[in-house]
Amino acid sequence: GQSLEQPSEVTAVEGAIVQINCTYQTSGFYGLSWYQQHDGGAPTFLSYNGLDGLEETGRFSSFLSRSDSYGYLLLQELQMKDSASYFCAVTPGGYNKLIFGAGTRLAVHP
Amino acid sequence: GAGVSQSPSNKVTEKGKDVELRCDPISGHTALYWYRQRLGQGLEFLIYFQGNSAPDKSGLPSDRFSAERTGESVSTLTIQRTQQEDSAVYLCASSPRQAPGTEAFFGQGTRLTVV
Repeated sequence: GQSLEQPSEVTAVEGAIVQINCTYQTSGFYGLSWYQQHDGGAPTFLSYNGLDGLEETGRFSSFLSRSDSYGYLLLQELQMKDSASYFCAVTPGGYNKLIFGAGTRLAVHP
Repeated sequence: GAGVSQSPSNKVTEKGKDVELRCDPISGHTALYWYRQRLGQGLEFLIYFQGNSAPDKSGLPSDRFSAERTGESVSTLTIQRTQQEDSAVYLCASSPRQAPGTEAFFGQGTRLTVV
């Protein structure tokens, strides 16, 4: 089976940097994805790490360490619109389905 | 359409009734997923279709739940004899190919309320 752990809530101020961690246990592993979901909205794709290291996309970066079964999402220059839930998701071995964590609710304050 | 379309957007049903939820994926997308999301919770995997391969039904919570997909087109999720604990948003997603990390595009979901 698969299990993912991420913090339930994170609070930060505008302009700051925040890191959302994700640890996983899975039978087989291809990579780690991150999705953002605003209240009442559909999840949207942010990034994917298939290899160890850092992937950067604008203000967002994502990191993966396969040996530690660990990844994180780094959000820089926080804006109020970044207030949302962030989900890590693993692609386990076998089928390429996505298994999501419980999500981290980020609140950005002025 | 341009995105994943789900219908109905809202459904209120009486306990014990059957419901059918529909998902129209993006044209050409071979992979299709169904998830359940209870209020304030994460996305619970239900079922995954990939092309003409046998679906992965490992997430279906009970035999009251079933899903079908014809080829690479529309999918329906059926819940029989609904229970109050089935109340949730049911999300459908599709992706263009079978490759790890391929972006999944989500619909707006069907909010199911069982009374």
